[in-house]
Amino acid sequence: TQLLEQSPQFLSIQEGENLTVYCNSSSVFSSLQWYRQEPGEGPVLLVTVVTGGEVKKLKRLTFQFGDARKDSSLHITAAQPGDTGLYLCAGYIGTSYGKLTFGQGTILTVHP
Amino acid sequence: KAGVTQTPRYLIKTRGQQVTLSCSPISGHRSVSWYQQTPGQGLQFLFEYFSETQRNKGNFPGRFSGRQFSNSRSEMNVSTLELGDSALYLCASSLGGRNEQFFGPGTRLTVL
Repeated sequence: TQLLEQSPQFLSIQEGENLTVYCNSSSVFSSLQWYRQEPGEGPVLLVTVVTGGEVKKLKRLTFQFGDARKDSSLHITAAQPGDTGLYLCAGYIGTSYGKLTFGQGTILTVHP
Repeated sequence: KAGVTQTPRYLIKTRGQQVTLSCSPISGHRSVSWYQQTPGQGLQFLFEYFSETQRNKGNFPGRFSGRQFSNSRSEMNVSTLELGDSALYLCASSLGGRNEQFFGPGTRLTVL
């Protein structure tokens, strides 16, 4: 059983389109982090959301944390080829220090 | 501030051998977490060290071990390598607790 369900698994779109990636769980997260990873490299932290209902914007990326802190979404406006990569959501469950639980990831390909 | 560094970046070993991977955290970070990333399983938590103590451990066999030094640098060891151990091994550092984790570039281990 996957504790963090991420969808879709694959996304292939044209430059300029919008997209949304979802991250859902039955568990409550004290915080949730979004990462972007390129092939052969480590994940790079994009944002951390902490408060239920929180919305954070990072240029064309909008991150939302659900009111109950069980789900989150990443919305990209006017996607560009440079947005191509693996997007991962991750969070801490319970009192598990140092252990991030990751979603399966969304492989995004933006075609020029 | 320098990021998380991992050495070596690439390793090729044969079955039955052992390997040691190294991770230097961001200055001031006392927590180091290790993850294994494979296409089929995604990112799986191995263990976490804080101030030289292992505080958390994932569901991996005893062949996987680690340690942390007084300067917060950490090493991970895998003994009696198996083909299935081929993966990208990532370490992440943080201030501890449920703070954000920052990842290194990873060590790509190939077991032949």
